Amino acid sequence: AQSVSQHNHHVILSEAASLELGCNYSYGGTVNLFWYVQYPGQHLQLLLKYFSGDPLVKGIKGFEAEFIKSKFSFNLRKPSVQWSDTAEYFCAVNLSGTYKYIFGTGTRLKVLA
Amino acid sequence: EAQVTQNPRYLITVTGKKLTVTCSQNMNHEYMSWYRQDPGLGLRQIYYSMNVEVTDKGDVPEGYKVSRKEKRNFPLILESPSPNQTSLYFCASSSATGSETQYFGPGTRLLVL
Repeated sequence: AQSVSQHNHHVILSEAASLELGCNYSYGGTVNLFWYVQYPGQHLQLLLKYFSGDPLVKGIKGFEAEFIKSKFSFNLRKPSVQWSDTAEYFCAVNLSGTYKYIFGTGTRLKVLA
Repeated sequence: EAQVTQNPRYLITVTGKKLTVTCSQNMNHEYMSWYRQDPGLGLRQIYYSMNVEVTDKGDVPEGYKVSRKEKRNFPLILESPSPNQTSLYFCASSSATGSETQYFGPGTRLLVL
């Protein structure tokens, strides 16, 4: 069965530290990839997405992610986190040509001021 | 303002008492979906709808029903709720599937006693 793995469940960083959150999926076909974020008390919202073209995609608030097809990975990065990045981050995969979405289990990030 | 609304936001009920969680979007989106979020399991897709009168099962459809009689509304029905349906439920919509961004509602927290 298809699945999405987020290996880091809880991450604690100090402000200005660099961030990398891992996301791996198991599916051999074409996929569309997403990172969503849920700030405390707010709706889930899109950070960035990849569906074709340049495998390095940039999103809002200085986030970026790189799609590495050979590794089935779509890791999220930010060079310098801020206290306001404290949130839960979800990686999601849409199996291209289908209406199904598979989400990872989420990573709770806490940034210490 | 473009948004997805859900009602109620919080609900406590007892086993077997039928309930409906409403979801409405004002963006004229064709695609709508229901998810449940449980600790350690992330978001799992319950049902989705590709357009009016067209719905299909996600990964965890057991115990749930949906209907899509109008484009803007996609209610989730629990005909005989059980304690294992205690969860946080999210509705989402997008203009299409695939690479399109999903817009999420605020969530409905359900407790079944």
